[in-house]
Amino acid sequence: NAGVTQTPKFRILKIGQSMTLQCAQDMNHNYMYWYRQDPGMGLKLIYYSVGAGITDKGEVPNGYNVSRSTTEDFPLRLELAAPSQTSVYFCASTTGHRYRDNEQFFGPGTRLTVL
Amino acid sequence: QKEVEQDPGPLSVPEGAIVSLNCTYSNSAFQYFMWYRQYSRKGPELLMYTYSSGNKEDGRFTAQVDKSSKYISLFIRDSQPSDSATYLCAMSPGGSTLGRLYFGRGTQLTVWP
Repeated sequence: NAGVTQTPKFRILKIGQSMTLQCAQDMNHNYMYWYRQDPGMGLKLIYYSVGAGITDKGEVPNGYNVSRSTTEDFPLRLELAAPSQTSVYFCASTTGHRYRDNEQFFGPGTRLTVL
Repeated sequence: QKEVEQDPGPLSVPEGAIVSLNCTYSNSAFQYFMWYRQYSRKGPELLMYTYSSGNKEDGRFTAQVDKSSKYISLFIRDSQPSDSATYLCAMSPGGSTLGRLYFGRGTQLTVWP
């Protein structure tokens, strides 16, 4: 199993540009999450999904959008990039099974800089 | 008040020392408690997972949960340079919360030879 994979690893955007961060998992997990991590600030939840076609907002959804058309993939879309979106983005997944639905597996992250 | 508080450090100890990392929380509904380890420029990886109060030991690592004080700890015995990383506590009420976790800010640990 590859686990949770993310592409690209790094990206520099200009203000106002758009991009999609890709996330895929091959563990047949139902639940998937997008976080951002700013230096010394822990992880903040952007969006999450409990299955194909079902998504919901987390703590910091403004400026982002998501879709979940398959169990495996959960892309994060940035529209009109702003310097405040400079961060490291992590995708995570978990089974959704009772008692273990909070054991999340993380991808390696995407480092995004908006200039 | 943040739901989960964690001293960001940094913490620097010599090899072989006992390390104590701590988090406090305010939400009494939290039932599941986790410690994640994050190496530099990598994603977090689950280190310890406990349910409710008590201790759990795994090799050199011991996780403690005191729900009455809303306080959790991670102890690392015989610390090694390879333990140098950021340690994030995380917790969840479980049940129908859809796997959402509440994270501390992380504590940066350096173990020097």
